[in-house]
Amino acid sequence: SQQGEEDPQALSIQEGENATMNCSYKTSINNLQWYRQNSGRGLVHLILIRSNEREKHSGRLRVTLDTSKKSSSLLITASRAADTASYFCATDAGNTGKLIFGQGTTLQVKP
Amino acid sequence: GAVVSQHPSRVICKSGTSVKIECRSLDFQATTMFWYRQFPKQSLMLMATSNEGSKATYEQGVEKDKFLINHASLTLSTLTVTSAHPEDSSFYICSARDVFTDTQYFGPGTRLTVL
Repeated sequence: SQQGEEDPQALSIQEGENATMNCSYKTSINNLQWYRQNSGRGLVHLILIRSNEREKHSGRLRVTLDTSKKSSSLLITASRAADTASYFCATDAGNTGKLIFGQGTTLQVKP
Repeated sequence: GAVVSQHPSRVICKSGTSVKIECRSLDFQATTMFWYRQFPKQSLMLMATSNEGSKATYEQGVEKDKFLINHASLTLSTLTVTSAHPEDSSFYICSARDVFTDTQYFGPGTRLTVL
């Protein structure tokens, strides 16, 4: 079964706006990873945030992690049409390295 | 990021045949690889953990005799769908774990269509 819930399931914004996606999970984790998937393609790794970290940045991406609430958010600033994709969070509970995926958020950025 | 390749990218086969999918970690050694299945407009479902030099660990509900996994080297894992049926049609994606960073890198996926 899936570990995480993502919110919203779908998001449509205009180019230049910011997009925020949220992810909640159920059990303790070692790290949480965010991925992007374009339709019919593989997953592209965006950011890994460890359980002892609260925030990480990578270019226009900002990820936060609140282990007390078992939640994470991905913020994409100044969105572009090329950011249109599905975004998934995945939790790594450790030991085996297995990733459990959330349901994903489909982001559409309109030019 | 690191590169993981998958081959073939697309395969169409007749019901009853077996299909082998290869997953290669191109620029790091992966003692652990993972196989996922994805249905249209859905998330990834973990099928099994492929361990180099030992038996794969399958998730609950995944038939190990149906989905044969071999991890013969630190850079190659294969998934064989045996006696494929139309319900096996899906998008299969592998990943390789970089143990130094805990990051998992994904292959581009294989679209399997069983007629």
